[in-house]
Amino acid sequence: GAGVSQSPSNKVTEKGKDVELRCDPISGHTALYWYRQSLGQGLEFLIYFQGNSAPDKSGLPSDRFSAERTGGSVSTLTIQRTQQEDSAVYLCASSSRGGGASDTQYFGPGTRLTVL
Amino acid sequence: AQSVTQLDSQVPVFEEAPVELRCNYSSSVSVYLFWYVQYPNQGLQLLLKYLSGSTLVKGINGFEAEFNKSQTSFHLRKPSVHISDTAEYFCAVSDRGNTPLVFGKGTRLSVIA
Repeated sequence: GAGVSQSPSNKVTEKGKDVELRCDPISGHTALYWYRQSLGQGLEFLIYFQGNSAPDKSGLPSDRFSAERTGGSVSTLTIQRTQQEDSAVYLCASSSRGGGASDTQYFGPGTRLTVL
Repeated sequence: AQSVTQLDSQVPVFEEAPVELRCNYSSSVSVYLFWYVQYPNQGLQLLLKYLSGSTLVKGINGFEAEFNKSQTSFHLRKPSVHISDTAEYFCAVSDRGNTPLVFGKGTRLSVIA
């Protein structure tokens, strides 16, 4: 596709359930990022994948959060035992070349997660 | 660690008036600086970025920003805004040795007809 896509666009779940959020980066982009956007907290970095290197997980808020990237392309962010404070918009971004700090990150439209 | 402060959470401005959205950053190392815009129900779009060189950076949609190292600022400006500029604007910083962006909390620009 022409841009980063994310699915679903909206997800409503009950507290305690697990959810999976999907990100399809721009074809050929080697770097992939997950961010969370919530009221009062702004945009927070969650996790970063670059090629075949071990991911940078330093932004994950708890061990209930995990992510994988299969085949260097599609990524899935999993939240286990969801809590109400997990309600937010989850944004995915990708960048080309070496994923260096100067490379432009292209963002998807996000998945709005609501935990009841 | 870096941090970004956007001093105004909301900025209302009349159409065709100039606007400045303020951004200050804190970092002990050299950084890259970015402004992103988020239109309603859409993802973030890059407006402009400062990597090195000229401190005045021009971006899309008539926006520009000036990097001021001594004041650790990267304010965004537009001389004449349009209704279509109504959106949320995010300033972000990245450590040159690290890639995840650190964002400010955003400034909601509302352009009034």
